[in-house]
Amino acid sequence: QVQLVQSGAEVKKPGASVKVSCKTSGYTFTSYGITWVRQAPGQGLEWMGWITAYNGNTNYAQKLQGRVTMTTDTSTNTAYMELRSLRSDDTAVYYCARGGEKSGSYFDYWGQGTLVTVSS
Amino acid sequence: EIVLTQSPDFQSVTPKEKVTITCRASQSIGSSLHWYQQKPDQSPKLLIKYASQSFSGVPSRFSGSGSGTDFTLTINSLEAEDAATYYCHQSSSLPRTFGQGTKVEIK
Repeated sequence: QVQLVQSGAEVKKPGASVKVSCKTSGYTFTSYGITWVRQAPGQGLEWMGWITAYNGNTNYAQKLQGRVTMTTDTSTNTAYMELRSLRSDDTAVYYCARGGEKSGSYFDYWGQGTLVTVSS
Repeated sequence: EIVLTQSPDFQSVTPKEKVTITCRASQSIGSSLHWYQQKPDQSPKLLIKYASQSFSGVPSRFSGSGSGTDFTLTINSLEAEDAATYYCHQSSSLPRTFGQGTKVEIK
């Protein structure tokens, strides 16, 4: 069965960086993209961007350009999202989800989420 | 950016009642509209893809309709386990966007 398993919770200070991993299994990793979505406490879902697993092409939300980098490791079927220069409003649960990189496509399987807390 | 506006924001419903949630897009998105269910402290789950196609394993009481700018998620005969927040999402253009969510509470 398709599974996306994310790394554990993180606590970071303002200005630091965080790297969240998303290890996948149960499907051919390079056949799908990985999308990252975040959810601030008590808020809705915010699309962060995607990466195409087979060639590493990325597309990021404009508000995160310059601070976010998404990568994949096809040898371990794992996707990564790094966010730099963290601010308090980056405190959120970060989700990876399969799909979304093609026009019209949806997110059919999601990771369990990783809470990132930014606090001094 | 395409803005998705859901209504209502909140709905309190008795079991077995019918629930209707609407999602309006700020411009036409064809059928590139998908619905997700998120229960407290859980990840979102895909319910409906391409406006009206049920995702595998989703109970038949969930259905979707619409195209262009106006879409509807219907839950027939609400069950207690359906208490959740429901989000629409468009994948017609960049950036991908979500509706603000509709919280469904069981009376």
